[in-house]
Amino acid sequence: KAGVTQTPRYLIKTRGQQVTLSCSPISGHRSVSWYQQTPGQGLQFLFEYFSETQRNKGNFPGRFSGRQFSNSRSEMNVSTLELGDSALYLCASSIAGGSRETQYFGPGTRLLVL
Amino acid sequence: KQEVTQIPAALSVPEGENLVLNCSFTDSAIYNLQWFRQDPGKGLTSLLLIQSSQREQTSGRLNASLDKSSGRSTLYIAASQPGDSATYLCAVILFGGATNKLIFGTGTLLAVQP
Repeated sequence: KAGVTQTPRYLIKTRGQQVTLSCSPISGHRSVSWYQQTPGQGLQFLFEYFSETQRNKGNFPGRFSGRQFSNSRSEMNVSTLELGDSALYLCASSIAGGSRETQYFGPGTRLLVL
Repeated sequence: KQEVTQIPAALSVPEGENLVLNCSFTDSAIYNLQWFRQDPGKGLTSLLLIQSSQREQTSGRLNASLDKSSGRSTLYIAASQPGDSATYLCAVILFGGATNKLIFGTGTLLAVQP
């Protein structure tokens, strides 16, 4: 079974631009979560989508948004990029997002904002 | 606010040595605790998931224990190998919160010397 895939793997943008990242979960998984990883803050939860609805949200500004499609693929968007948005963005999938489930992570998208 | 701390921050051991990584969390009301490894510039690989009602889980050379009352978990790696070199992260899911929001620890960078 194919794992979680994320595209693109690397991105370079400039301040003020916007960016869209994509995540395809493991087949049959309906929950997709997004995390931001930086050297200073570590791994932080952004949001989770289940059945095309945002179910949970972390403590990030409104510039960070996402959506999920009927095939469970998810995208996250960051508008008006800031230098501090440079990070590794990871998505994770699980069957239904329950507390007893293992979450499986993708390889991440590394975003550099100049 | 749940805080997850990992000690030590970095560890270097010779090949073949048994070692223990530590994870501490401030709020004992958790659903589960999960251990991950992360290779440089890559995503996370799930190693072990311990439910709140369990005290330990084993997979191959890895054994993880959970003591909710003291807010501690340990990951024991037997007969370490150079391929075990990676950053090890523990994460908890807080009871009463989002059922799949992982709160990550600060990580332990492990280097196994051949």
